[in-house]
Amino acid sequence: AQSVTQLDSQVPVFEEAPVELRCNYSSSVSVYLFWYVQYPNQGLQLLLKYLSGSTLVKGINGFEAEFNKSQTSFHLRKPSVHISDTAEYFCAVSADTGRRALTFGSGTRLQVQP
Amino acid sequence: NAGVMQNPRHLVRRRGQEARLRCSPMKGHSHVYWYRQLPEEGLKFMVYLQKENIIDESGMPKERFSAEFPKEGPSILRIQQVVRGDSAAYFCASSLGQHSGANVLTFGAGSRLTVL
Repeated sequence: AQSVTQLDSQVPVFEEAPVELRCNYSSSVSVYLFWYVQYPNQGLQLLLKYLSGSTLVKGINGFEAEFNKSQTSFHLRKPSVHISDTAEYFCAVSADTGRRALTFGSGTRLQVQP
Repeated sequence: NAGVMQNPRHLVRRRGQEARLRCSPMKGHSHVYWYRQLPEEGLKFMVYLQKENIIDESGMPKERFSAEFPKEGPSILRIQQVVRGDSAAYFCASSLGQHSGANVLTFGAGSRLTVL
């Protein structure tokens, strides 16, 4: 089984500042990793995914994430945030075999202040 | 190219009534997943289905909850005799259902159930 830990439930940041949202995972098998964003009262939108290859993954809206196998982490970063980035961000993991559903972390609420 | 369609978007039920939530997957997707999101919490996996088959229902409550994905028509999540604790957002996702490689899920906008 897999599990995901998002250490920060809320991250307040000023507009144009850099941000990092942390994600650590646990799994006994190889995994795929994902970040999703949820705007208020909406569904989840895929930001980026790590499947294989380069450990630095670029996604939409200027976000990127780095897969670190030794630290079992997949932190999300953006060099300069906008007010419109205010949302809930979810890290998720799935095994590369067997049960294929995603396991989600509890989410991090990014609050961008002017 | 419509995405994952869920309806109703909002549903209000009184305790003891039944709730039915419907999900039509993306065109070309054969696998459907249901997740529940309680207020201020993350998404919890409920069930994973393909046409006429339940692949994984390890996250489904043992009583009152059932799901199906018939050969024709949408997937349906059914909650019988609803209680206040069932109030949540229910999200459906679909995927190609590949047997190898990543299973990338596309989510619907959710159905928000309120139990009075």
